[in-house]
Formats: sequence, structure tokens, C-alpha cells
Amino acid sequence: EDQVTQSPEALRLQEGESSSLNCSYTVSGLRGLFWYRQDPGKGPEFLFTLYSAGEEKEKERLKATLTKKESFLHITAPKPEDSATYLCAVRYYKLSFGAGTTVTVRA
Amino acid sequence: DGGITQSPKYLFRKEGQNVTLSCEQNLNHDAMYWYRQDPGQGLRLIYYSQIVNDFQKGDIAEGYSVSREKKESFPLTVTSAQKNPTAFYLCASSNRDPGYEQYFGPGTRLTVT
Repeated sequence: EDQVTQSPEALRLQEGESSSLNCSYTVSGLRGLFWYRQDPGKGPEFLFTLYSAGEEKEKERLKATLTKKESFLHITAPKPEDSATYLCAVRYYKLSFGAGTTVTVRA
Repeated sequence: DGGITQSPKYLFRKEGQNVTLSCEQNLNHDAMYWYRQDPGQGLRLIYYSQIVNDFQKGDIAEGYSVSREKKESFPLTVTSAQKNPTAFYLCASSNRDPGYEQYFGPGTRLTVT
């Protein structure tokens, strides 16, 4: 069964148009939620770890938040260089990855 | 610079041949992992190792084999028993157990025809 679901599958934004990506999970006993960025043909790059509901982390135009059932990655005023696939993973006894959201930012 | 290297970047093989993918890390991490990535799917865990000379099967270990003779190295062999070997393979490492943030290598794209 799916443990981690990311939505939408794809997101097309105009430069400067803020938006949010969703990561919902069904595992119990969450021991951490991770966000990664992946460029085409490359390995994922670690962005954030969140451990408890209410926690927030920020990095440049990205902000990750966590509730008891889902996490959001907010992209504020995106630029074309923010175009990538964003992966979410949850930890119980291992990392379980979602399929990702592919973000395209047009200039 | 600390990091994870994978080689080669692209690999082409004929059906029926075994092939070994290299993964080396100089981050002094104890744990190492192999994932497979297919279009539209999340990363799937093939094997992982938390200490030298020990490794465990992940979710899709059939048709693959690994070894962990050195802390820095975790090679993956894709055997002829793997029914659908064409994929993007990613190696990762982390401190201690699989629950800590994992850092990934650049990946190897394997094409089997």
C-alpha cells in the first residue's frame, strides 16, 4: 500500500507565482519527514528534515511545514532555477519515498 | 570534498550479462543504500548496509547482489536474473540507521537490451 503520496504530480508556475506542494503519509510512528530536490539525470539533493507537527524549516525561497498527516513545501516567488522534481520521504524503519512533484517555473 | 561517487554514469549491457555498479563515499558514514528509480515511481530500496560485512535486503532485492567489504564501498551487481534491469540506480549513505537523512550520489543509468 502507498505510504507516501505527493500532489500534484506536476506543477507549472510563472516566475514569481508562489505555490505549495503536498506530501501526505499514512505511516504511524513517524520518525522524520525529509524533502529532497532532484534535477533531471542527477541524484536527489537533501533539503530539510522535519520531526514533529508544527515544525517549520526554511531555505531561500523554500519553506517546509509538517502536520500530523501531511507536509507542505511552499515555494515563494519562484525563479526558473527552482525548476526540479521535489521528493518527500518519511521514516519509520526505513525511508519510504513519494513519486515526487515536478515543478517547472517559466520566466 | 566529501561526497558520494558512482561510476559509470551510463552503462549499456546485453541481456544475460551481469553488471556491477560502483559506489564510493568519503563521508565516513556507516550506512549505505542502493535504490532504483523508474519514471513515475518513488525510489525503491534494493539493499542496505549498516556496517561492514553486513547487509539486508530491501523491498526489491531479487536479481541483485551486494557486498560491503570496506566502509567506503558498496558495489551493486545486477544479475541476469533481474527481469527488468533498465533503470536509474542511486547509491546513498547516512550516519547510523536508515532513519537519518541520506545523501545521494549522482546515479548510474543502466540500459539493458
